[in-house]
Amino acid sequence: DIQMTQSPSSLSASVGDRVTIPCRASLSISSYLNWYQQKPGKAPKLLIYSASTLLSGVPSRFSGSGSGTDFTLTISGLQPEDYATYYCQQSYSTPWTFGQGTKVEIK
Amino acid sequence: QVQLQQWGAGLLKPSDTLSLTCGVSGGSISGHYLSWIRQPPGKGLEWIGEINHSGSTNYNPSLRSRVTISVDTSKKKFSLNLSSVTAADTAVYYCARDSSSSRGYYFDFWGQGTLVTVSS
Repeated sequence: DIQMTQSPSSLSASVGDRVTIPCRASLSISSYLNWYQQKPGKAPKLLIYSASTLLSGVPSRFSGSGSGTDFTLTISGLQPEDYATYYCQQSYSTPWTFGQGTKVEIK
Repeated sequence: QVQLQQWGAGLLKPSDTLSLTCGVSGGSISGHYLSWIRQPPGKGLEWIGEINHSGSTNYNPSLRSRVTISVDTSKKKFSLNLSSVTAADTAVYYCARDSSSSRGYYFDFWGQGTLVTVSS
């Protein structure tokens, strides 16, 4: 299985901050990487697929970058509704696997 | 707009079989895989397996011996059976639709989640 590592597991940031969330794969997965946002009690919501393609309707302050083993989700100008947990997921090979998540908390 | 609505028993005893069903509305299931994903309380996401409209399946090896996923294409619903459950199977279970791009698959629509608790 491909292991996805997200560190840190949580971070604190203020409204308006630029936030970067890293994700690392245990082997090269090209650009087969997706990002999800999850709020308490809700299903995850897809934000970005193929490492950098923003899903239609997702605010442009979200962006994704990276390829191979290292990826980053960036939120440019954190908004109150962005406080949530973010998961990366590889779609290079089954079993599809997720990172452990990074929780973005209010500073 | 595609919607996934799931249902099934929420409280099980050890050794029971977990059974959940997910109905898809507002879109076709042809050309898509349909997945089950679970999340233990306070933990991360684990992919269980997937099925397409033809009945072709892929399972997570960690659960393969206990999992069966089936599809009823005419009714646009798919189901999860997980046998011999233990407390370790306590989780919120989600159904989700897979879509594809030139660079892989992604889960673009999700069910609302069902909390399944295994307790004697």
